[in-house]
Amino acid sequence: AQKITQTQPGMFVQEKEAVTLDCTYDTSDQSYGLFWYKQPSSGEMIFLIYQGSYDEQNATEGRYSLNFQKARKSANLVISASQLGDSAMYFCAMRLLFGNEKLTFGTGTRLTIIP
Amino acid sequence: NAGVTQTPKFRILKIGQSMTLQCAQDMNHNYMYWYRQDPGMGLKLIYYSVGAGITDKGEVPNGYNVSRSTTEDFPLRLELAAPSQTSVYFCASTQASYGSGGGDEQYFGPGTRLTVT
Repeated sequence: AQKITQTQPGMFVQEKEAVTLDCTYDTSDQSYGLFWYKQPSSGEMIFLIYQGSYDEQNATEGRYSLNFQKARKSANLVISASQLGDSAMYFCAMRLLFGNEKLTFGTGTRLTIIP
Repeated sequence: NAGVTQTPKFRILKIGQSMTLQCAQDMNHNYMYWYRQDPGMGLKLIYYSVGAGITDKGEVPNGYNVSRSTTEDFPLRLELAAPSQTSVYFCASTQASYGSGGGDEQYFGPGTRLTVT
């Protein structure tokens, strides 16, 4: 079974600073994908970024990047130049690439950007 | 495209009542999912479907039933509502390619907030 651990229940960051949200995962499979989703106070789930286990480069999407350290089984999300609109819950998730596409989620980190 | 739609947005049920949460997607996705999110927690998988006529249990299936007669629709049935089923329910879909290696993201609906009292 897969497991995602997010050890930071909440974080406060000054606007325009960079922030790193931690995510570690546990799986015995070699083929998997890692996702980050954002959930603002309105409740919807917004896909941010994806990293495949065989991807050699860290994924980037605009201000979001994923610091993927396979040996340590970590997939931290880095947000550069944080904005007030980044205040939200952030969930790390993973799925196996050869399976039924089920996502396993962590418990989330609540990020608050301070003006 | 509407994407993934869910109805209703909010519902209050009395203990023992039944209801169906509706979910529809217009992206011709083969995979569909139901999750629940309890306050302050991540999402837990209730049931999922890999195609019309095929469903399987997730992590927390007790107290729920599903069916998938078409590609588009994936309703979730609560037969005898209990306070423990108070939660926000999300439906999601994806057009997963087997072993694609790509970021086949799951598209989520807006959620249904259910309270059982």
